[in-house]
Amino acid sequence: EAGVTQSPTHLIKTRGQQATLRCSPISGHTSVYWYQQALGLGLQFLLWYDEGEERNRGNFPPRFSGRQFPNYSSELNVNALELEDSALYLCASSPDGLYNEKLFFGSGTQLSVL
Amino acid sequence: TQLLEQSPQFLSIQEGENLTVYCNSSSVFSSLQWYRQEPGEGPVLLVTVVTGGEVKKLKRLTFQFGDARKDSSLHITAAQTGDTGLYLCAGVETSYDKVIFGPGTSLSVIP
Repeated sequence: EAGVTQSPTHLIKTRGQQATLRCSPISGHTSVYWYQQALGLGLQFLLWYDEGEERNRGNFPPRFSGRQFPNYSSELNVNALELEDSALYLCASSPDGLYNEKLFFGSGTQLSVL
Repeated sequence: TQLLEQSPQFLSIQEGENLTVYCNSSSVFSSLQWYRQEPGEGPVLLVTVVTGGEVKKLKRLTFQFGDARKDSSLHITAAQTGDTGLYLCAGVETSYDKVIFGPGTSLSVIP
């Protein structure tokens, strides 16, 4: 069974540009979570999508947005990139929200903003 | 927003030694989880503890959930170089709409 896949692996952008990160959950998983892991700051919760709807959002500005497609894959968009957006962006999936309390993570997209 | 603290932040030990890392919060969580993350990879779930006072063992790793469900510990017996990594504790909020992560303990096991 394929795990959570994220693309691209690495992404280099300049300040002010837009970045699009993609995530494919494990087959059968309907929930997708996005986290930002900046150096020294741990994983910060960004967004939760389930059944195509945004269910919860972390304490990030509106220029962080995303969506979930009918096949449950998800996209994270970051507009007007700032230097401090440089981080590892991790996607996780679960089969039924958090009620089974298991998250399966992808390997992440390393975003560098120059 | 509930917060999780972990200690120590960094730990470097010799192979064969024992160690304990701690995860603390002022808030109650539905459950606490422990993950291990290796460089260039996403975190991998090791265990979930749900009941206050619960103890779970995974080979040389022993996980304990505090009686008040606010803290947890991870004890590793006879550490091996393969145990090297970032150990993250995470709390599932009682509203089941978010998992909060601690900052992690970076463990280095030296041969």
